[in-house]
Amino acid sequence: GQNIDQPTEMTATEGAIVQINCTYQTSGFNGLFWYQQHAGEAPTFLSYNVLDGLEEKGRFSSFLSRSKGYSYLLLKELQMKDSASYLCAVRGWSRDSGAGSYQLTFGKGTKLSVIP
Amino acid sequence: DSGVTQTPKHLITATGQRVTLRCSPRSGDLSVYWYQQSLDQGLQFLIQYYNGEERAKGNILERFSAQQFPDLHSELNLSSLELGDSALYFCASSPRGGSNGELFFGEGSRLTVL
Repeated sequence: GQNIDQPTEMTATEGAIVQINCTYQTSGFNGLFWYQQHAGEAPTFLSYNVLDGLEEKGRFSSFLSRSKGYSYLLLKELQMKDSASYLCAVRGWSRDSGAGSYQLTFGKGTKLSVIP
Repeated sequence: DSGVTQTPKHLITATGQRVTLRCSPRSGDLSVYWYQQSLDQGLQFLIQYYNGEERAKGNILERFSAQQFPDLHSELNLSSLELGDSALYFCASSPRGGSNGELFFGEGSRLTVL
């Protein structure tokens, strides 16, 4: 099974930097994903880490430590439009049925509010 | 626009009823995933199909069933509906052998059971 923990809510100021942490326990780890989801909308892909280290993509960066079961998403130069839920998801192998497949298991998400 | 189409966008029905949610994946994607999202549970994986065959099953109730048709669209059937089934149901697709397993989500079908 897989267990994913991330803070429920965070608040940060426009223009600032915020770090959203995620810890996980899984079998057959095959990558960690971050998705952004605005209220009532579909999740959209932000980043992917499968090796230890930092992946940078514009204002967003994501870090992974496989030995610690830990990741974080770093958002720089926060904008009001960054107010959303950020979902940490772990990809692991599952053989619940059929031939088996990699599955994405999502955390409950961190609701980020950006204030002026 | 992710390219994944879900219908209906909104659905209101009564307890005990049966509904069908439909999903058309992105052109060329062979895998379809169904997720349920309720306020207190986050995104819960229900089931995955690959090229018409069930590939993986998550926390899907026996009252729920799904299938993927030869044209690769998928349907999720929810029966004997209960109040607790009220949720946003997302379909997602991914390309065969995708390099990073990224999922492309549809806009979701919001089900309200009264």
